[in-house]
Amino acid sequence: GDSVTQMEGPVTLSEEAFLTINCTYTATGYPSLFWYVQYPGEGLQLLLKATKADDKGSNKGFEATYRKETTSFHLEKGSVQVSDSAVYFCALSDRGSQGNLIFGKGTKLSVKP
Amino acid sequence: EAGVAQSPRYKIIEKRQSVAFWCNPISGHATLYWYQQILGQGPKLLIQFQNNGVVDDSQLPKDRFSAERLKGVDSTLKIQPAKLEDSAVYLCASSPTSHQPQHFGDGTRLSIL
Repeated sequence: GDSVTQMEGPVTLSEEAFLTINCTYTATGYPSLFWYVQYPGEGLQLLLKATKADDKGSNKGFEATYRKETTSFHLEKGSVQVSDSAVYFCALSDRGSQGNLIFGKGTKLSVKP
Repeated sequence: EAGVAQSPRYKIIEKRQSVAFWCNPISGHATLYWYQQILGQGPKLLIQFQNNGVVDDSQLPKDRFSAERLKGVDSTLKIQPAKLEDSAVYLCASSPTSHQPQHFGDGTRLSIL
């Protein structure tokens, strides 16, 4: 079945460092891909999405490009802030499904001042 | 617009007891989802409703879990009887239709003693 694998955490960075969180997927069809962020004590918020190959999703300085050839959707940010500390989830939604999301295990990011 | 509302925020019960969670989706959202998020893992879909009908409940442990959305608006999820492994955060999400981005509530954290 469909699945998402993302890099193990936790990831600890200094403020203004470059961030990469790797995400790869397995899907039988052509899924839409998402990054969600979860701040402590809160629900998940959609960070960005891409619906087809070579699409780039971006929001709040974060970017991810849908790479069909490598089945990847890596999250990047050029300069992280303390406020970016959260858990990041990569997810897919298969077009053939009813839209439900399949999530990776999440990667906890801590940014130190 | 008001977000997805869930209650209670926290619940502590003993094993074999019953518990119920409530969710009020964003107004006008036809699709409602319940997810289970065990500590250290990504959310896993339990059940998906389209209006007041069940679209996908393939991962719902039906011997102990039940959910309803009688009027196609708010929804309740029940566990009866609870087991230790049910300790998790239960997230409700909604979307305008099944293939649009989901909006999540803050979740109910359930602890089983």
